Amino acid sequence: AQTVTQSQPEMSVQEAETVTLSCTYDTSENNYYLFWYKQPPSRQMILVIRQEAYKQQNATENRFSVNFQKAAKSFSLKISDSQLGDTAMYFCAFMKRGGTSYGKLTFGQGTILTVHP
Amino acid sequence: KAGVTQTPRYLIKTRGQQVTLSCSPISGHRSVSWYQQTPGQGLQFLFEYFSETQRNKGNFPGRFSGRQFSNSRSEMNVSTLELGDSALYLCASSLSRVNTGELFFGEGSRLTVL
Repeated sequence: AQTVTQSQPEMSVQEAETVTLSCTYDTSENNYYLFWYKQPPSRQMILVIRQEAYKQQNATENRFSVNFQKAAKSFSLKISDSQLGDTAMYFCAFMKRGGTSYGKLTFGQGTILTVHP
Repeated sequence: KAGVTQTPRYLIKTRGQQVTLSCSPISGHRSVSWYQQTPGQGLQFLFEYFSETQRNKGNFPGRFSGRQFSNSRSEMNVSTLELGDSALYLCASSLSRVNTGELFFGEGSRLTVL
């Protein structure tokens, strides 16, 4: 079974600054995906960024980038130039690739990020 | 394109009752997954359907069931409600037949059991 751990229950950052959210995971699988999802207050959860485990290059999406350390089973999210709209709960998630893991994401407990003006 | 729509958004039930929640996926999406979100247990996978077939199931008791219709709309049912079933139930749809993990979530149905 897979586990995902987010050790920072809450974080805060000033607008325009950079913040890094941490995530570690445990799995015996070699082929998998990792994700960061964002859940704004009272709004639906959306995908921020996705990393395929077999790719060494870290994924980036505009102001969002990850630091994927496969051997260390670490997957952090860096948000640059933080904006007020980034205020949300952020979830790190794992999905086994292939097989019968249809639709099944394993989520961490989440990190509440607050961006202050 | 309309997003994932879940109804009802809020509902209150009493212990022992049963509840049915509905989910309409994004047009063209044939995979629908359900998750339970609680402050204590976080987000937990319930089940996934594709083309009216349940392909995957999480570790929940048999009181939790679901189905998918030919138009890809899905329903989940919880029978004999318990206080611990109070949660936000999230539905997510996906375009791909295979696992990609790119799920599009609805706003959820918040169930309160009294």
